[in-house]
Amino acid sequence: ETGVTQSPTHLIKTRGQQVTLRCSSQSGHNTVSWYQQALGQGPQFIFQYYREEENGRGNFPPRFSGLQFPNYSSELNVNALELDDSALYLCASSLGQAGGGYTFGSGTRLTVV
Amino acid sequence: ELKVEQNPLFLSMQEGKNYTIYCNYSTTSDRLYWYRQDPGKSLESLFVLLSNGAVKQEGRLMASLDTKARLSTLHITAAVHDLSATYFCAVDRVNTDKLIFGTGTRLQVFP
Repeated sequence: ETGVTQSPTHLIKTRGQQVTLRCSSQSGHNTVSWYQQALGQGPQFIFQYYREEENGRGNFPPRFSGLQFPNYSSELNVNALELDDSALYLCASSLGQAGGGYTFGSGTRLTVV
Repeated sequence: ELKVEQNPLFLSMQEGKNYTIYCNYSTTSDRLYWYRQDPGKSLESLFVLLSNGAVKQEGRLMASLDTKARLSTLHITAAVHDLSATYFCAVDRVNTDKLIFGTGTRLQVFP
C-alpha cells in the first residue's frame, strides 16, 4: 500500500506566473481533495475530485483549477499567481462517500515572490 | 455554514502536567478528526470520532466527542516534550467529504 505523494516539495514562482502541483492518491482511494494552508492558519478546502469530476469547491477564485486522471491522481493549477498564494498546499485522498478517513500527502510549499 | 473553533490557540505547559484542548463546531457533523502537525510538515492523523460518546486513546492523548454539545476534547496526560506541535480538529459530513478545520492549538511543552 502506498501513501499519498505530492510533487514538487518546494517551489518558488514569480507573481503572475502559473503553477501546477501534482498528487498521487493512496492505492484504492477514488477521491482527492486539495487544501491551502497559509502560515499560522488551518488548512482551507479548495476543491475535491471524485472519479474525474469536480465534486465540491471552497471559496477560491476560478484561477484555481484542477484535474483528476483515470488512475485517481490529481493536479492543482493556479494561474496569475499572487503573493497571497504563498502557502503549503496539501492533497488528501479518501474513499469518497464510503468513509474511512483521509490520508494527507506531505505537501508542496509554494512561495510567490 | 459549518464553523470550527478551538481553544486555546496557544498552550505552553510544563512536562508532567495535564491539559485539555477544546473543539466546538457550529452545526451537525458526521465525523470529527484530530490531527497533529509539526512545523513545516503535513498532517498526521491522530483520531477519528464517529458517534456521540466516542472516546479514543493513544499514549498520552485521549479524545472524546459529545455531539449534543457539539464539542470534542483532546486531553493530554503527563505531557512530554515530544508532544510539542500544532493540533487541529476538523469536521466533515459524509455526503460532502469536505474537511472544515479549526484554527489549531499550538502546544509547547517545556522541562
